[in-house]
Amino acid sequence: EVQLLESGGRLVQPGGSLRLSCAVSGFTFSNYAMIWVRQAPGKGLEWVSGISSGTYDADSVKGRFTISRDNSKNMLYLQMNSLRTEDTAVYYCAKSSRVTLYYFDYWGQGTLVTVSS
Amino acid sequence: QSVVTQPPSVSGAPGQRVTISCTGSSSNIGAGYDVHWYQQLPGSAPKLLIYGNTNRPSGVTDRFSGSKSGTSASLAITGLRAEDEADYYCQSYDSSLSGTWVFGGGTKLTVL
Repeated sequence: EVQLLESGGRLVQPGGSLRLSCAVSGFTFSNYAMIWVRQAPGKGLEWVSGISSGTYDADSVKGRFTISRDNSKNMLYLQMNSLRTEDTAVYYCAKSSRVTLYYFDYWGQGTLVTVSS
Repeated sequence: QSVVTQPPSVSGAPGQRVTISCTGSSSNIGAGYDVHWYQQLPGSAPKLLIYGNTNRPSGVTDRFSGSKSGTSASLAITGLRAEDEADYYCQSYDSSLSGTWVFGGGTKLTVL
């Protein structure tokens, strides 16, 4: 059974940093691209960062967020620096259906990041 | 403001058929990039509903179907049921500027 479990979300002050983690199981992690998607309170889904053979970031987080993975540990990460109030959201990790970013067939339950003073 | 546009809400009575549109442009849907659809039940994570414009994953009822034409795509739901009440999102790829994986703004389906 494919499982994705995010962790690391919490309350953080503007300008602070946070690292989100996504533990995966049930599939050969290294064979698939992965993505982080966020959802601000009451809003829609927004692609944040993706990783396949390279890494890709939305303009809204470029230079502040870094996606990475450790295939030996079956872990996906999102390092978030210089956080802003508008980064407040539930952050989901999701598995791509192939080695490149395409559609996302499995999602975690999400972890809440709140940026506030 | 997403580069692919969905109506904010649609509604229908039980048993009826509803459609949700996803309108893009020549840099995304119109460029030939596939459209995928997700269902998000209240308080839950998104779930894949349709992939590659028209395909249903195993376990998704055939009451859900997808189509694509030109710069737009549509999700159709037939035999509407109370448990279909959810938010629905389309997703594609946009090749403009730096390129991004884009989601539509989402459509809230209300079953009357």
